[in-house]
Amino acid sequence: QVQLVQSGTEVKEPGASVKVSCKTSGYTFSGYYIHWVRQAPGKGLEWLGRINPNSGGTDFGQMSQGRVTMTRDTSVSTFYLEVAWLRSGDTAVYYCARGGPVAGALDSWGQGTLVTVSS
Amino acid sequence: DIQMTQSPSSLSASVGDRVIITCRSSQTVSGFLNWYQQKPGKAPQLLIYGASGLQSGVPLRFSGSGSGTDFTLTINSLQSEDFASYYCQQTHSFPYTFGQGTNLEIK
Repeated sequence: QVQLVQSGTEVKEPGASVKVSCKTSGYTFSGYYIHWVRQAPGKGLEWLGRINPNSGGTDFGQMSQGRVTMTRDTSVSTFYLEVAWLRSGDTAVYYCARGGPVAGALDSWGQGTLVTVSS
Repeated sequence: DIQMTQSPSSLSASVGDRVIITCRSSQTVSGFLNWYQQKPGKAPQLLIYGASGLQSGVPLRFSGSGSGTDFTLTINSLQSEDFASYYCQQTHSFPYTFGQGTNLEIK
């Protein structure tokens, strides 16, 4: 079955960077985009962007411009999200999700990674 | 960016009720509209894709309709496990955007 397993909780100081991983299995790695979505405490969902598993090409959301990097390692079927210059407003649960074959709907999700930014 | 507006933001209902949640986009998204359910502490789960397609494994009491700028999610005969938050998302144009969510509570 399709599985997306994310790395564990992170606590970072303002100004630092964080890198979250998303290991995929149970499907053809090259066939589906991976998206990143975050959710601040008590808030709604925010789309951060997506990455093409073949080319590594990316499309970003508004927040992501300049501070977010999305990469993948095809040898281990794993995707990465890196957020630089963290600030308190970046405190959130970060999710990876697979873009499905119809309408690009996010049909499988990782369990989420809590990133806390605090001094 | 396309703005997605859900209504209501919160809703109280009883087991067995029929519930309708609406989602309106600031410009057309054609049929590229998806619905998700999220329970506390859990990742969202896809319910409806492409405005009206029922995701595999999702109960038949869930249905979606609409096109262009106006969409609805209908839940027939509410069950206890349906009390959760619901989000719409457009995947027509970048950046993909979500509605602000609808919190469905037990009356």
